Amino acid sequence: AQKITQTQPGMFVQEKEAVTLDCTYDTSDPSYGLFWYKQPSSGEMIFLIYQGSYDQQNATEGRYSLNFQKARKSANLVISASQLGDSAMYFCAMRETPGGATNKLIFGTGTLLAVQP
Amino acid sequence: DTGVSQDPRHKITKRGQNVTFRCDPISEHNRLYWYRQTLGQGPEFLTYFQNEAQLEKSRLLSDRFSAERPKGSFSTLEIQRTEQGDSAMYLCASSLGVRGGDYEQYFGPGTRLTVT
Repeated sequence: AQKITQTQPGMFVQEKEAVTLDCTYDTSDPSYGLFWYKQPSSGEMIFLIYQGSYDQQNATEGRYSLNFQKARKSANLVISASQLGDSAMYFCAMRETPGGATNKLIFGTGTLLAVQP
Repeated sequence: DTGVSQDPRHKITKRGQNVTFRCDPISEHNRLYWYRQTLGQGPEFLTYFQNEAQLEKSRLLSDRFSAERPKGSFSTLEIQRTEQGDSAMYLCASSLGVRGGDYEQYFGPGTRLTVT
């Protein structure tokens, strides 16, 4: 069964520094998608970045980049130049079987990031 | 605002009562998902619609739960005879499904249910 593991319940980072949030995944499917979402205290899940299993390059979106190491089955999120507004819960998720019937997301337990001034 | 909207944002109900939540997806999105999130956990999949057809239901969706998406637009999630264990955040998401794949899912603000 597909599974996402986030081993860091909480992280602190100083404002303007970079931070890496860990995510490992388990799947036997050769084709899959990996996502990172941000959930502020307001509750809404905000899409940040996507990496396809066949993508040759690591995904980047502004200050967000995804360090995709396929052999290690890891998809760590790197946030550069942290801002106070980055304080939130961050979830790693896997899309089940792209092209399959559902494309539902399987989420990890999340990492709570606190950016300190 | 053209994002996913959910109503109500908060609902407090007594055990045994029925509740209904509404989700309005992004207008051009043909796929709609319901997830449930309990404290300290990531969202868990409940059910999925492609247009008006409900194509998958999780084992989490007991027979007290029912979801509809008439006309392939908005969706409702009803919980009958609520139990305290139903207390959670109910999230709706939509996406533009394309042949052989799917774009990212966009989530609404959620409905927080408290069963007393």
